[in-house]
Amino acid sequence: GESVGLHLPTLSVQEGDNSIINCAYSNSASDYFIWYKQESGKGPQFIIDIRSNMDKRQGQRVTVLLNKTVKHLSLQIAATQPGDSAVYFCAENRKLSFGAGTTVTVRA
Amino acid sequence: GAGVSQSPRYKVAKRGQDVALRCDPISGHVSLFWYQQALGQGPEFLTYFQNEAQLDKSGLPSDRFFAERPEGSVSTLKIQRTQQEDSAVYLCASSFSGQGNEKLFFGSGTQLSVL
Repeated sequence: GESVGLHLPTLSVQEGDNSIINCAYSNSASDYFIWYKQESGKGPQFIIDIRSNMDKRQGQRVTVLLNKTVKHLSLQIAATQPGDSAVYFCAENRKLSFGAGTTVTVRA
Repeated sequence: GAGVSQSPRYKVAKRGQDVALRCDPISGHVSLFWYQQALGQGPEFLTYFQNEAQLDKSGLPSDRFFAERPEGSVSTLKIQRTQQEDSAVYLCASSFSGQGNEKLFFGSGTQLSVL
């Protein structure tokens, strides 16, 4: 079965608002997590990663939070823009596995 | 090139035909991965190479699927006697080292349609 999975298949966000995408994993030995963004007709593109010795990591407009106690991670996108519309996947590197994505749609 | 290149971009095959999908990873990248992505789903792992060695092929769905990377650079995924359920996007990805725990760089994929 899946070792990672996203909570909601779709998310609609008003332009300028913050987005939060959630993901759960099952393997407590997982030590590295990555968020990817996939636009239509393209391959997944790296957004941000986090190792299990951290609980938060920030990038440009994105923040990943890792809660090892409940085996949960989230991706926060600040000031969501139309270009953020895509499918977002969390991936757990140990088993090279991806969950089903969350489709983010940004409303103008 | 600057990124991972896959060819062909689209492939239509009649059921029973053999197909070969090519991946050119980023130059110097040690690790290479193949994934299968069905419509509306996340990528599913097929196989992994470190240089020319195929270290994991646990995701290959049947013995009709075969991958190689003979010189540790370009890789080919071959599907024999294609079936309709093989229709999917096949993604190739590479990463810098074989150390694990690093981001993957993906190509745009080959969309395979089996009629």
